[in-house]
Amino acid sequence: ETGVTQSPTHLIKTRGQQVTLRCSSQSGHNTVSWYQQALGQGPQFIFQYYREEENGRGNFPPRFSGLQFPNYSSELNVNALELDDSALYLCASSSPLTAGANVLTFGAGSRLTVL
Amino acid sequence: SQQGEEDPQALSIQEGENATMNCSYKTSINNLQWYRQNSGRGLVHLILIRSNEREKHSGRLRVTLDTSKKSSSLLITASRAADTASYFCATGPGYSSASKIIFGSGTRLSIRP
Repeated sequence: ETGVTQSPTHLIKTRGQQVTLRCSSQSGHNTVSWYQQALGQGPQFIFQYYREEENGRGNFPPRFSGLQFPNYSSELNVNALELDDSALYLCASSSPLTAGANVLTFGAGSRLTVL
Repeated sequence: SQQGEEDPQALSIQEGENATMNCSYKTSINNLQWYRQNSGRGLVHLILIRSNEREKHSGRLRVTLDTSKKSSSLLITASRAADTASYFCATGPGYSSASKIIFGSGTRLSIRP
């Protein structure tokens, strides 16, 4: 059974650029959630995907968008990068309807630095 | 915005002592979970307690839940150096098992050898 894998692990972008982060779900999981974690803070919920549809969104602007694919992998896209977007981006997969609770399995994260 | 707030923000104790962390939340929940994060890494699920449970144990972990006070506590007994990490409470602010999970701001635990 494979866990959640994220890529890339680290990347540096400049303000105004666009970035795509990728996530492969744990085997058997059909739901993906994305979080942004600034240094010293707790993870902030960006959005959740279930069956390729957005299933809940946090307080993030539309320039944060996502996709979920038929194999349940997912992408997070951020357009028009701002300095405050510098953070650790965490992907988590789960299977809440079969498990009876949304217990998250996290990847190791993608560290984004915006200069 | 954070649903849960942990207290204290930071805790430093001697190895072998017990560590207690508290969490308060704002809205009705389906369940409450605790996660651990080693520096700069992904979070690891520790334990889940449902809204109709009051206490749960898992190894050296003991979690309590008081829904009337909207609070929970995590007790780690006989702490070890390897317990050094940040600990987060997380809630599903709704009665659906698929509801989004919202994290608190965390407690940074340091275990002194």
